[in-house]
Amino acid sequence: GNSVTQMEGPVTLSEEAFLTINCTYTATGYPSLFWYVQYPGEGLQLLLKATKADDKGSNKGFEATYRKETTSFHLEKGSVQVSDSAVYFCALSERGAQKLVFGQGTRLTINP
Amino acid sequence: SAVISQKPSRDICQRGTSLTIQCQVDSQVTMMFWYRQQPGQSLTLIATANQGSEATYESGFVIDKFPISRPNLTFSTLTVSNMSPEDSSIYLCSVAVTGQETQYFGPGTRLLVL
Repeated sequence: GNSVTQMEGPVTLSEEAFLTINCTYTATGYPSLFWYVQYPGEGLQLLLKATKADDKGSNKGFEATYRKETTSFHLEKGSVQVSDSAVYFCALSERGAQKLVFGQGTRLTINP
Repeated sequence: SAVISQKPSRDICQRGTSLTIQCQVDSQVTMMFWYRQQPGQSLTLIATANQGSEATYESGFVIDKFPISRPNLTFSTLTVSNMSPEDSSIYLCSVAVTGQETQYFGPGTRLLVL
């Protein structure tokens, strides 16, 4: 079946550091890929998405590129801020927006 | 996008009781889903709420424990029945908007069972 594997956390960085959170997936067919973010005490917010190979999703300085050859969708940001501290979830869905499958989540803490 | 509200936002319940969680969206949507997020864990899909018919449950989840209603295109309820401490979780409603490849999530209901 479909699955998503994220790098284990927690991840702690200093402000303005470069961020990479790895995400790889296993899926039949051609899934859509997503990154969601969960700030402390809140629900999930969509951060970015990509629906086909080589697409790049971007939002709020975050980027991720859909790599079919490596089945990956790594999240990157060039310079993180304290306000980026949250839990980040990589997810996939087949057949459009049905049945999201989530990775285990990566807790990110940014220190000033 | 869609604006989703859930009620209650949090609750503390006694074991053996039941709690009904409401999810309201501000526009008509094709799909509504219920997820569970156990403490420190990722999200797991409980079921797809189908308008006018029985919900479609994922493996490991049954209707007797998690009855779901969806009377129209903007509203759904999830009941957590005969609760035990293992049911302590965040329960999230999500929706898929017609024509978009995206699910949007409500703020969640934080449930603690004593």
